[in-house]
Amino acid sequence: AQSVSQHNHHVILSEAASLELGCNYSYGGTVNLFWYVQYPGQHLQLLLKYFSGDPLVKGIKGFEAEFIKSKFSFNLRKPSVQWSDTAEYFCAVNAPGSARQLTFGSGTQLTVLP
Amino acid sequence: EAGVAQSPRYKIIEKRQSVAFWCNPISGHATLYWYQQILGQGPKLLIQFQNNGVVDDSQLPKDRFSAERLKGVDSTLKIQPAKLEDSAVYLCASSRSLRDGDYEQYFGPGTRLTVT
Repeated sequence: AQSVSQHNHHVILSEAASLELGCNYSYGGTVNLFWYVQYPGQHLQLLLKYFSGDPLVKGIKGFEAEFIKSKFSFNLRKPSVQWSDTAEYFCAVNAPGSARQLTFGSGTQLTVLP
Repeated sequence: EAGVAQSPRYKIIEKRQSVAFWCNPISGHATLYWYQQILGQGPKLLIQFQNNGVVDDSQLPKDRFSAERLKGVDSTLKIQPAKLEDSAVYLCASSRSLRDGDYEQYFGPGTRLTVT
């Protein structure tokens, strides 16, 4: 079945550590890719998105993601995390022909220790 | 710009009761989505509207769930009768027209439903 996989359910880091969260999808063809974040007590908000062009996408708050088509991956990175980055992170894919619908991964809870 | 509004924020009901959720999308957004997010999982699309028409409701359990967007703005999602497995957060999202080349979905705060 077509799906979106996030490999890490819970990641714990200390402040200033580097972050990489994995996301793989199983759809063929052209896809649009998204990372959403949900801070404690807040609603889902967009971190970054990829539609076309440069596969290295920069988003808000110092986050970036790299689209590697050959690996069906769209990993999220940040060189140095802060305590305020503690949140749940969701990868989402708009599959070909799906009328802009998003299929989400199961999420990764990031805890940053001060 | 006001965000997506949802109410109520929390609801506790007993199984076999009915419940309704309301969503007001961002002004001018033609496309509206309802998602179900079960604890520990990502949001799962239930139904998508473009203006007041249904684009896709293939994931909506139609024996108990219904949704409408009569005037192409606000939307209501109803469950009747509720089951224990309906306990989840129900998210509403909106985006500009499907014809736009670039887009993103804006999410509301959600309604947390507990069925006892």
